[in-house]
Amino acid sequence: GQQLNQSPQSMFIQEGEDVSMNCTSSSIFNTWLWYKQDPGEGPVLLIALYKAGELTSNGRLTAQFGITRKDSFLNISASIPSDVGIYFCAGREGNDMRFGAGTRLTVKP
Amino acid sequence: ETGVTQSPTHLIKTRGQQVTLRCSSQSGHNTVSWYQQALGQGPQFIFQYYREEENGRGNFPPRFSGLQFPNYSSELNVNALELDDSALYLCASRTAGTGDYEQYFGPGTRLTVT
Repeated sequence: GQQLNQSPQSMFIQEGEDVSMNCTSSSIFNTWLWYKQDPGEGPVLLIALYKAGELTSNGRLTAQFGITRKDSFLNISASIPSDVGIYFCAGREGNDMRFGAGTRLTVKP
Repeated sequence: ETGVTQSPTHLIKTRGQQVTLRCSSQSGHNTVSWYQQALGQGPQFIFQYYREEENGRGNFPPRFSGLQFPNYSSELNVNALELDDSALYLCASRTAGTGDYEQYFGPGTRLTVT
């Protein structure tokens, strides 16, 4: 089953607001990944993190790999309507990848 | 569009039956992974195939099995279907040795078991 606790489960925000979501684990991972999944499609990788403490940005997205290697967060700045979707964190150890249950983001124009 | 295709898009089966799902990898990708995504949950890793052999497996029973063909396309077979097997099944392909940004997911096959 799931080993990752992702929060919040859902968020309703106004366009232009910043968003923050996080993921914690009972296990250590060497890699943390953040994905976005739109309806009818598979997940698309947004940001990959490979080193404890690493802070990485991809446009308006910023993610950090926690120093304990058991947590990660994703921030989205100045949200826009196309940010709507489900965001998943994932921890990877070798070939085994564990996903959180997702954060469903709704952006109101 | 990622170049990874899956068939069929939707499928309805009866408990106890067997099902085969298919995945066509992106051109040049020699590694394929399969995931099960229950409604409202994140994907769960089933197994990975590289060079036609399984080289990693998640916590799934033996009735979940797979094949990878010389052209790197892949099948997921599930025997003795149970109601809890109802889910979206995703495959993802990559070339061994490349990074996470080079792995691409297909759109999935939605399986309903009644």
